[in-house]
Amino acid sequence: AQRVTQPEKLLSVFKGAPVELKCNYSYSGSPELFWYVQYSRQRLQLLLRHISRESIKGFTADLNKGETSFHLKKPFAQEEDSAMYYCALRTSNYQLIWGAGTKLIIKP
Amino acid sequence: DAGVTQSPTHLIKTRGQHVTLRCSPISGHKSVSWYQQVLGQGPQFIFQYYEKEERGRGNFPDRFSARQFPNYSSELNVNALLLGDSALYLCASSPETGREAFFGQGTRLTVV
Repeated sequence: AQRVTQPEKLLSVFKGAPVELKCNYSYSGSPELFWYVQYSRQRLQLLLRHISRESIKGFTADLNKGETSFHLKKPFAQEEDSAMYYCALRTSNYQLIWGAGTKLIIKP
Repeated sequence: DAGVTQSPTHLIKTRGQHVTLRCSPISGHKSVSWYQQVLGQGPQFIFQYYEKEERGRGNFPDRFSARQFPNYSSELNVNALLLGDSALYLCASSPETGREAFFGQGTRLTVV
């Protein structure tokens, strides 16, 4: 079965603390993974994709095929990182399968 | 850049009615996808269109249909509305299938 799991509905950390948003997937083919972010009152937007292997706004994510994970990490959280984060998997026929999302709150 | 635009932004319908949601993609984008997002969940894929042809369909009943026009805009139609169809409907466009998807602000449908 094709599935994306984000085990935490809510994650609250203090400003300056490290952040890790968890994402696990189930997919029989070669996965293409994404992180999308939705800031308050804004539309969904792409944060990063695993094939680009870049750091966006200080966030990185590494695809671990052995653990079927694609966790999102940032070493030092900032208040502007508060948002809803979605992990998504693109299938071979270009459908996006989404996790339920994690609400990240950065406390001052 | 206007981005992906969806209309209307909010809509209230009665059970059994029909609804049409509209999406205008970013200029030059030929692929449009539709998603349903129920409160507290991630988006669920409904349809993808590219060059006016259906390229993918999610696990939704036949009450859901869509089409893409020559100018690449798209409509999502839902017949015989149920209370469970209440959700945020998102449209996303991309230059081609497999490229980054850009999302609209969504249409909030409430079925009463």
